[in-house]
Amino acid sequence: NAGVMQNPRHLVRRRGQEARLRCSPMKGHSHVYWYRQLPEEGLKFMVYLQKENIIDESGMPKERFSAEFPKEGPSILRIQQVVRGDSAAYFCASSLTWTSGRRYEQYFGPGTRLTVT
Amino acid sequence: AQSVTQLGSHVSVSEGALVLLRCNYSSSVPPYLFWYVQYPNQGLQLLLKYTSAATLVKGINGFEAEFKKSETSFHLTKPSAHMSDAAEYFCAVSTNSWGKLQFGAGTQVVVTP
Repeated sequence: NAGVMQNPRHLVRRRGQEARLRCSPMKGHSHVYWYRQLPEEGLKFMVYLQKENIIDESGMPKERFSAEFPKEGPSILRIQQVVRGDSAAYFCASSLTWTSGRRYEQYFGPGTRLTVT
Repeated sequence: AQSVTQLGSHVSVSEGALVLLRCNYSSSVPPYLFWYVQYPNQGLQLLLKYTSAATLVKGINGFEAEFKKSETSFHLTKPSAHMSDAAEYFCAVSTNSWGKLQFGAGTQVVVTP
């Protein structure tokens, strides 16, 4: 059973470009979470999605950031007009549905390391 | 509101010695608590979790943690450190209904021969 997959693993963007980060959850998982790990900071929650729904985006910056989890395909975290402060590791995690006794276990992908030059 | 505090950003331990990583939380409701490990340039791996069952929780790789409500603590221990335990360890708490995690700042563990 493949784990959470993220691509690309490394992404370099120039200031002002767009960054698209992809996350494929584990098989059978319908809940996706995005976290950001900034240099010298801990992991911070960004957004929680279920298929076709954003449930909680309280950790997302108000501008330039958006996320989606379509009915088909991976979850996408999109950062428009990137700035140097966006350089970080972005992690996706997935979990089982609510009816599972293991719904509180989040399984993390390897992350996408974004560098803005 | 909930929060997590990890005491000590860096811990150095000798191979074969006890590993003790401290985590304290604050929460107005019964929490779910987790320990994750992160190896360099990798994602986080779940070591163990507390979800209101037994207060002493055993995890992978010989780690265990004890939930102490009176002390609002969830310290992680391993009796004998291995070189492969060198990594960063994160304590996390969740109190809302869908599992949003709030992480501590992390503790970097160095294991010396």
